[in-house]
Amino acid sequence: SQTIHQWPATLVQPVGSPLSLECTVEGTSNPNLYWYRQAAGRGLQLLFYSVGIGQISSEVPQNLSASRPQDRQFILSSKKLLLSDSGFYLCAWTGGRGHEQYFGPGTRLTVT
Amino acid sequence: DAKTTQPPSMDCAEGRAANLPCNHSTISGNEYVYWYRQIHSQGPQYIIHGLKNNETNEMASLIITEDRKSSTLILPHATLRDTAVYYCIVRVGGETGGFKTIFGAGTRLFVKA
Repeated sequence: SQTIHQWPATLVQPVGSPLSLECTVEGTSNPNLYWYRQAAGRGLQLLFYSVGIGQISSEVPQNLSASRPQDRQFILSSKKLLLSDSGFYLCAWTGGRGHEQYFGPGTRLTVT
Repeated sequence: DAKTTQPPSMDCAEGRAANLPCNHSTISGNEYVYWYRQIHSQGPQYIIHGLKNNETNEMASLIITEDRKSSTLILPHATLRDTAVYYCIVRVGGETGGFKTIFGAGTRLFVKA
């Protein structure tokens, strides 16, 4: 069966510090991968998606970037965090009979 | 992707059926209807999807109108653990080019004892 991992689960970072969040998927090959962010009390915002190694599509211009160095690894990064980057970051992959999305446990980021 | 319209919130008594409506009047012929839910502090969870036929699984039933302009998600016997935000999404099915799933505001379902 397929599983998706994200780490860390929680993170507190000062403004201006760098960020690296990692997501890995097991049990499937060449998945479509996605990064979402959810600010407190708000809906999900699609940040990036990837259909293959090195292929990244950005949905919202901001100080975040994404990379896919391996087939089942998706990384979200920032060189300098802003207060507005605080939120719940979710990684997802597309699979199943209906190509539905499956989400990881998420990383709760607080920028102070 | 077509746009969906859902009520912002609904209440349901525990043990009763919860019927969550969704309007998608501009849905295209190759677009599927998907339902997800998000329990507080967790990632969204896939529930069910369909094209034009009604669907049922261990979690819920999906009823799609004949003209496909609306659908209803049915939780047959709601429990307190079903309290969550429910998202109705329409998008093209299949696996080509990375299909973006855009989440709207959803319906916040409160199941009350």
